[in-house]
Amino acid sequence: GAVVSQHPSWVICKSGTSVKIECRSLDFQATTMFWYRQFPKQSLMLMATSNEGSKATYEQGVEKDKFLINHASLTLSTLTVTSAHPEDSSFYICSASGPNPRETQYFGPGTRLLVL
Amino acid sequence: AQSVAQPEDQVNVAEGNPLTVKCTYSVSGNPYLFWYVQYPNRGLQFLLKYITGDNLVKGSYGFEAEFNKSQTSFHLKKPSALVSDSALYFCAVRDLSGGYQKVTFGIGTKLQVIP
Repeated sequence: GAVVSQHPSWVICKSGTSVKIECRSLDFQATTMFWYRQFPKQSLMLMATSNEGSKATYEQGVEKDKFLINHASLTLSTLTVTSAHPEDSSFYICSASGPNPRETQYFGPGTRLLVL
Repeated sequence: AQSVAQPEDQVNVAEGNPLTVKCTYSVSGNPYLFWYVQYPNRGLQFLLKYITGDNLVKGSYGFEAEFNKSQTSFHLKKPSALVSDSALYFCAVRDLSGGYQKVTFGIGTKLQVIP
């Protein structure tokens, strides 16, 4: 299957700082990328959907000014958590797929964020 | 609206025995169904999917799933469980009607294979 990478795999930061997480599709062109957040022992919560070259579509309740998403190329999307606070600590997972709605989403390994 | 239900928080099975992880779904149109597996502190790995065709879908690592339209179910199965199959399993659905829509995940079922 297709490979999606995320960097960093884990990050610890101080409250008030910003953190950028990268998501890359390594062997296919990802027209669409998704960002999820996963709390312990819970399912994935979709935060936003981004299409290459256009603005991301955020799910209800997700602050777009806090979680900045950029999808500048067909292989890279970034999520920036601005002015991070301890409640932003979570496991963030990206996924990527091609343009066809029937295409499978392939997931990155996730990024563990801890805000002190 | 679309939804997925995984009625069991945890499934325990002895190594070598067959396993089943249950999933039921609800969509207004035609379903596009997935199973993913997640190991601790890792992202999700794709196991298998169903769009159309044969109701029995074969996937990675010896897993298979059976689509049952009348029961709106898509249970994950494996004839002989391995200890290494112990992980968190997610069922997911996308409604194919009306164009592109997001995927909805179930809450996950923890599979514990006992040696």
